[in-house]
Amino acid sequence: EDQVTQSPEALRLQEGESSSLNCSYTVSGLRGLFWYRQDPGKGPEFLFTLYSAGEEKEKERLKATLTKKESFLHITAPKPEDSATYLCAVQAVVDYKLSFGAGTTVTVRA
Amino acid sequence: GAVVSQHPSWVICKSGTSVKIECRSLDFQATTMFWYRQFPKQSLMLMATSNEGSKATYEQGVEKDKFLINHASLTLSTLTVTSAHPEDSSFYICSAAAGEYVDTQYFGPGTRLTVL
Repeated sequence: EDQVTQSPEALRLQEGESSSLNCSYTVSGLRGLFWYRQDPGKGPEFLFTLYSAGEEKEKERLKATLTKKESFLHITAPKPEDSATYLCAVQAVVDYKLSFGAGTTVTVRA
Repeated sequence: GAVVSQHPSWVICKSGTSVKIECRSLDFQATTMFWYRQFPKQSLMLMATSNEGSKATYEQGVEKDKFLINHASLTLSTLTVTSAHPEDSSFYICSAAAGEYVDTQYFGPGTRLTVL
């Protein structure tokens, strides 16, 4: 069974204080690893897809990286508007379902 | 691009009634749509997968007679919660994907269901 573990559970940052979120996974053949952002009471918003170890993707202050066992989401010089829950999900080669981690809730204080 | 809408955004109903939730892909044709539920401070749990014109595939433990899914067109899927009870109260979110490999799922804004 696919497993996704995210850490830490919660992260409180000062504005401008860079940090990283971790997503560890086990999957029987990775098709893709996805990062989503979810605001309270809203559906997840797609951020990145990573397909192979060594791949990196960036969007504004966010950068996602992938190894064979984990992915990191780096937040550089965060702003209060980056406060959200960040979800990691894996998609296996054998099917198209997403298995989600529990998420990391990031709070950025001004 | 890749916008998914849900209606209603929230609904309150009495125990024993049925509730229908619509999920629409607004600017693309969704070959596959997914339905999830999310309890407070928990992650998304997949309930079922639907492909246009065929029966939905339900995850283990999800009652197909209670959660009726219809995917009548490439832009519309509906979830009907039949004979709803308070334990069905949750946040229901749909997602839509296009293409043969159902790569990226784009999510709707969610529907908050409260059963009294």
